[in-house]
Amino acid sequence: QQQVKQSPQSLIVQKGGIPIINCAYENTAFDYFPWYQQFPGKGPALLIAIRPDVSEKKEGRFTISFNKSAKQFSLHIMDSQPGDSATYFCAASPRRSFGNEKLTFGTGTRLTIIP
Amino acid sequence: DAGVIQSPRHEVTEMGQEVTLRCKPISGHNSLFWYRQTMMRGLELLIYFNNNVPIDDSGMPEDRFSAKMPNASFSTLKIQPSEPRDSAVYFCASSRDFRDTQYFGPGTRLTVL
Repeated sequence: QQQVKQSPQSLIVQKGGIPIINCAYENTAFDYFPWYQQFPGKGPALLIAIRPDVSEKKEGRFTISFNKSAKQFSLHIMDSQPGDSATYFCAASPRRSFGNEKLTFGTGTRLTIIP
Repeated sequence: DAGVIQSPRHEVTEMGQEVTLRCKPISGHNSLFWYRQTMMRGLELLIYFNNNVPIDDSGMPEDRFSAKMPNASFSTLKIQPSEPRDSAVYFCASSRDFRDTQYFGPGTRLTVL
C-alpha cells in the first residue's frame, strides 16, 4: 500500500533548467513532508522539509510548494547544476508521530542534469 | 564525525543462510532506524529504537527478521533463513531523538541467491 505517490520516475533537465518533482498523498494525518537527496552508493540525506501551515519553503536553490487541499507537494530546483544529479525522495509522516520517525517514502525520482 | 557506520557494505549469500547486518549510530544519537530499499517498494521503515528499546517493529516483514540494540553504539538486523526476495539495500539511520533529522548510513547491499 503506497501512501505517497511520486512522479516522474526519472527526469532529464538541461543545466540551468528547473526540474520539478511531484508527490501526492492520501492520508490526511500526514503533517510533515521532507525531501531527501541520495547520491549513488550513499544513504539518503535530508534536503528540505515543510509542514502544512505554509504553502512554500525555500532553502537556497531548493523550494517546496505545498497544496494542502489537493494533498500534493513538489520540489523545484532553481538553476539546476550537474552536481544536483541524484535520486530524490519525498516523504511524509503523520500528526500522531512525535517527529519524523514514521516516515513513509515515495518511490524516488532519478534526476539527471546535463551540461 | 564518522557518521553512521554499516557493515558489511555488500553481502552475497545463498537462500536459507543466516545474514547479520550491523550498524553503529552517530555517537550521542538516541534513536536508530532500520530501512529496506527496493526498486519495487522504495524505502520502507522496518523498525526503530529509542534509547536502545524497540518502539515500533510493525514494518518488519515476517518472523524471519529480527533486530537488536544491545547498547547505544551498536545494532544488528538478522535475517534467518534468508530468501531471494530479501535482496535489497538495507539502511541504518540515527537521530538525536525521534524528533530530529535522521542521518543515514551508506547501506548494505544484500543479494540472496
